[in-house]
Parts: sequence; structure tokens; C-alpha cells
Amino acid sequence: NAGVTQTPKFQVLKTGQSMTLQCAQDMNHNSMYWYRQDPGMGLRLIYYSASEGTTDKGEVPNGYNVSRLNKREFSLRLESAAPSQTSVYFCAIPGSTKKHEQYFGPGTRLTVT
Amino acid sequence: QKEVEQNSGPLSVPEGAIASLNCTYSDRGSQSFFWYRQYSGKSPELIMSIYSNGDKEDGRFTAQLNKASQYVSLLIRDSQPSDSATYLCAVNARGGGSYIPTFGRGTSLIVHP
Repeated sequence: NAGVTQTPKFQVLKTGQSMTLQCAQDMNHNSMYWYRQDPGMGLRLIYYSASEGTTDKGEVPNGYNVSRLNKREFSLRLESAAPSQTSVYFCAIPGSTKKHEQYFGPGTRLTVT
Repeated sequence: QKEVEQNSGPLSVPEGAIASLNCTYSDRGSQSFFWYRQYSGKSPELIMSIYSNGDKEDGRFTAQLNKASQYVSLLIRDSQPSDSATYLCAVNARGGGSYIPTFGRGTSLIVHP
């Protein structure tokens, strides 16, 4: 997953706690994406950013906020975590050869108890 | 609501056989189509992309696209146990400055020796 890094790899939160998932890319792409993946649900887009300073909602944005302060980093914040947010979170960027494809980071496995 | 449908499986095939994975999509404005492979506990990785009607071959993999019928398929020839994974179909439509992907829920493939 060289090119996209995510931190942390694992996290356990209690209901109501907050945290920020970090994503960074070194491929100089304008677009960045956040997905969640639940068993049997495939990948669902939470938010995406078409360029530095801009963000747009995806399919499942409720309960999340994002920040794209610079071209390299795109963070996802859970202000008040809920058990329904237990999931694996993937950050993605466009592929370097064909920009329509997606290239995924290693993921963050989040459990909310 | 843009939808991408896949049979969840599992699809079980013997080693050396052809595995056939299918995907249908609802948005006629879709412009690009992808197959990703995801091993358990790992992030998705792109294995095939297809943009125009017909077949596209890459090694043991063949992607087939029929825009009139709104389906895309993936054939894996000479299936190997190492092909056992979940295969995600993804379809892109243009949204503003970014290509917004919609993923299917994935088909689990098991190749048994």
C-alpha cells in the first residue's frame, strides 16, 4: 500500500468518545476518498475530496466529519462514536495510470463498544 | 440511487476450472468499470478495468462489458487456490470534478484443490 498510509491500524473506542482517522498520500493526487466496509455490505463512500480545501458527502456521511487542509492529508473524524460505526475504514486515491481506478490504503479497523 | 448488484456467493470451483463472476449496474451514465480482489483482512486491489463494450483480457483474467444490458463480468481461467478471495465490482459515474465509484457487495470465490 505504498503511496497511501493510514493511522491507526486498530482502535477500540467507547460509545461517545471521539477520534480522528488519518490518511496521507505521497502521489500528489487531487482527489481522496474515505470508505467504510461492513460484512456483507461492500464498500460505501463516506466523503470524498476533489481538491485541497473541498469536500463532498458520499453515500453514508452521517456521524462523520472530514478535513482536507492540504493536498497530502485527508482526515476523518468521529465526534461521538456509536457502535454502528464499528467497521473497517479505507482511504483511497485515484490510480496513477488511469485516474478512474482506486488505490486503497491498508485500512483502520475500528471497534466501538 | 445508483446500484451495483453482485451475487454474494460463495462461488466454489475446482482448481483448473473457469470461475465466472457477474455484476449488474443501474446507472446508464456509468463510464468505467472495475474488478477488485480483496483477500481476507486486506485492502482491495485492482485487477481489471474496462471502459468499452466487449472483452478485455489480461493473463488468466477476462473482463466483459455489455452496456446495453448493463452488466459486467469477470472470467478467471485455470483457477488457482490463490484466487480464493472476495471480488468487488465497481462502477464509476462522473460527479463534479471527480469520478464517484459505487461498489457492489462482493462475490466470495473459493477455489478448492
